[in-house]
Amino acid sequence: DIQLTQSPSTLSASVGERVTITCRASQSITEWLAWYQQKPGKAPNLLIYRTSRLDSGVPSRFSGSGSGTQFTLTISGLQPDDFATYYCQHYHNYGFTFGQGTKLDIK
Amino acid sequence: HVVQSGGGLIQPGGSLRLSCAASGFNVRNDYMSWVRQAPGKGLEWVSVIYKDAKSYYADSVKGRFFISRDIFENTVLLHMNSLRADDTAIYYCARGREPGNAFDIWGQGTLVTVSS
Repeated sequence: DIQLTQSPSTLSASVGERVTITCRASQSITEWLAWYQQKPGKAPNLLIYRTSRLDSGVPSRFSGSGSGTQFTLTISGLQPDDFATYYCQHYHNYGFTFGQGTKLDIK
Repeated sequence: HVVQSGGGLIQPGGSLRLSCAASGFNVRNDYMSWVRQAPGKGLEWVSVIYKDAKSYYADSVKGRFFISRDIFENTVLLHMNSLRADDTAIYYCARGREPGNAFDIWGQGTLVTVSS
């Protein structure tokens, strides 16, 4: 089974900063890598699918990239609403795998 | 969107059924999944049912959980049997985005607590 490992597990940053979250796969994976944002007590919200494509309504300060075993989510110019937990997710052989999550909090 | 129902407190070994009612799209034209989140933990994919009605399961629930859909009610169901304490979680219903292999519409979540 493919494992996804996110780093860091926790990230402290300030409004306006640029931050990057990494998702590493245990083996080379296809482009079907997605990113979600989850706030406490709420369902996850899809940000990016297929490595780099923004879902409808997602602000352009979010971007995704990567290939092979390393993928990244970048937030350029953090806004107060961005402090949340982020998860990567991969599709493989009719099943899905999530990373363990990265909590982004205010410095 | 999707609205979930079901859940609650159940004893170990018991059974429970979760329901996910869709509106604005047809569950027969999309693939639907269940994803769960144990208290204070991350997301764990549970099951998926595709347009052709084929279904797949995480190893942790295989043989105990069963996903189905009711096209007339436009609803997806998760039948959970032989429940264990480690099945305790918030269960989310989610629609699969095509193309994308990701989940673009999520239910509000429903809490399942397995405890004696």
